[in-house]
Amino acid sequence: NSKVIQTPRYLVKGQGQKAKMRCIPEKGHPVVFWYQQNKNNEFKFLINFQNQEVLQQIDMTEKRFSAECPSNSPCSLEIQSSEAGDSALYLCASSRRTGNTEVFFGKGTRLTVV
Amino acid sequence: GDSVTQTEGLVTLTEGLPVMLNCTYQSTYSPFLFWYVQHLNEAPKLLLKSFTDNKRPEHQGFHATLHKSSSSFHLQKSSAQLSDSALYYCALSDRCNQGKLIFGQGTKLSIKP
Repeated sequence: NSKVIQTPRYLVKGQGQKAKMRCIPEKGHPVVFWYQQNKNNEFKFLINFQNQEVLQQIDMTEKRFSAECPSNSPCSLEIQSSEAGDSALYLCASSRRTGNTEVFFGKGTRLTVV
Repeated sequence: GDSVTQTEGLVTLTEGLPVMLNCTYQSTYSPFLFWYVQHLNEAPKLLLKSFTDNKRPEHQGFHATLHKSSSSFHLQKSSAQLSDSALYYCALSDRCNQGKLIFGQGTKLSIKP
């Protein structure tokens, strides 16, 4: 069973509010991913880290999304000014390394922007 | 860019019948292929992954064969069970994209008694 812990499980924000969610990766997993799963159950890659360094990220041109994985603290994903279209399940995942290796997912934070 | 295609959005089957979920991919390099399964309100979890030595991976009665010639990694099971009802995602990770998993659109498998 996955030991990736995501908090909170549910988050409700008004439009324009900040939304922050956290993730504790599985112990010993230096690689962390964030995905957005929309209402059609499609996965959208957002960003991944190896230790504290960003490996890849989408072009967050609106700059409303930010993420970090500080040492000795949970990883986090923050939306600066929530929009209705941000309503989705945000999944955090971790793995031992990149490549042909299993990625372990948390149960996600379900964000609803009202 | 790299992509994964799952053509069936919903597959409905009667218990005991064989299952086949399609997955094709496009990638510049020889990627690693995976199948993930997500049950209702649960985290997605790995079902199968491709081997570098062309062995056929199997788990919980499911198997998949990587065919590089047709860029496919279809998921099969000989006899569906009610507990197999879930969302199934095919995904790839190429050798140069620093671990990013690219997912297909997902197929909802619904097994009826």
